[in-house]
Amino acid sequence: QQQVKQSPQSLIVQKGGISIINCAYENTAFDYFPWYQQFPGKGPALLIAIRPDVSEKKEGRFTISFNKSAKQFSLHIMDSQPGDSATYFCAASGGADKLIFGTGTRLQVFP
Amino acid sequence: NAGVTQTPKFQVLKTGQSMTLQCAQDMNHEYMSWYRQDPGMGLRLIHYSVGAGITDQGEVPNGYNVSRSTTEDFPLRLLSAAPSQTSVYFCASSYRGSAYGYTFGSGTRLTVV
Repeated sequence: QQQVKQSPQSLIVQKGGISIINCAYENTAFDYFPWYQQFPGKGPALLIAIRPDVSEKKEGRFTISFNKSAKQFSLHIMDSQPGDSATYFCAASGGADKLIFGTGTRLQVFP
Repeated sequence: NAGVTQTPKFQVLKTGQSMTLQCAQDMNHEYMSWYRQDPGMGLRLIHYSVGAGITDQGEVPNGYNVSRSTTEDFPLRLLSAAPSQTSVYFCASSYRGSAYGYTFGSGTRLTVV
């Protein structure tokens, strides 16, 4: 049972474009929504995270948008760069310690 | 350097063999967990621990055992390896009560033939 659904599975964007990755969750007890970035051969690393009491959080070129009523959240990467090429995972947690991850999106940014 | 250390990086097992994947962290994190990563399935939680002496099951615990005798170490044991356990395994840690800001190890790529 997939509690966090992520789309698309893969994404190709031109340099300078906007990359958008979407996630949806089912459990209304979730109260923490991070995004992780993973480069080939490496472990995932925390990129940015949001709590449901805000609708948007921005850190540099990365923005999380959160829609509590729709139970959806998304990652926007502005001015996408080739160095952003990686796999991105959304995740959710419900106050407990364990994170539930989405299935991942492979982003390729071409110059 | 501080972080999460996983050993070995690569391992090939024959079906039915047992082995232990090692995980150690030096950040005094109370919470530690094991995930497996498979193509198209993301990261799935195997087992986790909120402190020494305390462990619990995640989404896919069958075929795996864990123990937490110290804060620093959280080994994952495969009891009788099966081809379905071919995967990349990641260990992660964080402060207690906080799934926030996991630190992941670099992974162990396991192949069961």
